[in-house]
Amino acid sequence: DAKTTQPTSMDCAEGRAANLPCNHSTISGNEYVYWYRQIHSQGPQYIIHGLKNNETNEMASLIITEDRKSSTLILPHATLRDTAVYYCIAKIGTNTGKLIFGQGTTLQVKP
Amino acid sequence: DSGVTQTPKHLITATGQRVTLRCSPRSGDLSVYWYQQSLDQGLQFLIHYYNGEERAKGNILERFSAQQFPDLHSELNLSSLELGDSALYFCASSGRDPSYEQYFGPGTRLTVT
Repeated sequence: DAKTTQPTSMDCAEGRAANLPCNHSTISGNEYVYWYRQIHSQGPQYIIHGLKNNETNEMASLIITEDRKSSTLILPHATLRDTAVYYCIAKIGTNTGKLIFGQGTTLQVKP
Repeated sequence: DSGVTQTPKHLITATGQRVTLRCSPRSGDLSVYWYQQSLDQGLQFLIHYYNGEERAKGNILERFSAQQFPDLHSELNLSSLELGDSALYFCASSGRDPSYEQYFGPGTRLTVT
């Protein structure tokens, strides 16, 4: 699985959009980009995934650059409950196998 | 609530002891994954079972073993415990392929004293 690089931490004002970047410059054509988050010490939670098209669901939007070397997770209206560690993971195919978690980005949403 | 249950929630034991962590996957999910989260190592994949068979192994110590039973629940056995085994242990499950999500349980916090 391709290595991903994320900023260690970010702040966001409550109600504003949170844009979390992820670099995955060595991603291969059959690797998807997945985002999970972990709130405090709870179990990680799936957010969204994509291959090359932009994706949106009820939680977030995922923007993947045309060359697929980077992506951005967007939380459109961040709330205090979105404070968490966000993990960007590149993984082959749709077959769920092991997830390789990096250090992630700690997002602090402030009032 | 992800539908994945783990017991116990907390476990405190002494070095050298053996413990068993239990995981019940979401109804119908065939895959069970175990992950360890310690302060210095982050979240690490340990092992994956699919319908009772071992599918993949990660950085799992020889002192650790797991199995998945016919009813699909799984157990992670940790023996000869060391202080460094203190961590959060998460179980996750997923359904038949293709399946994009892994659903994580609330974890078991193991403290070795």
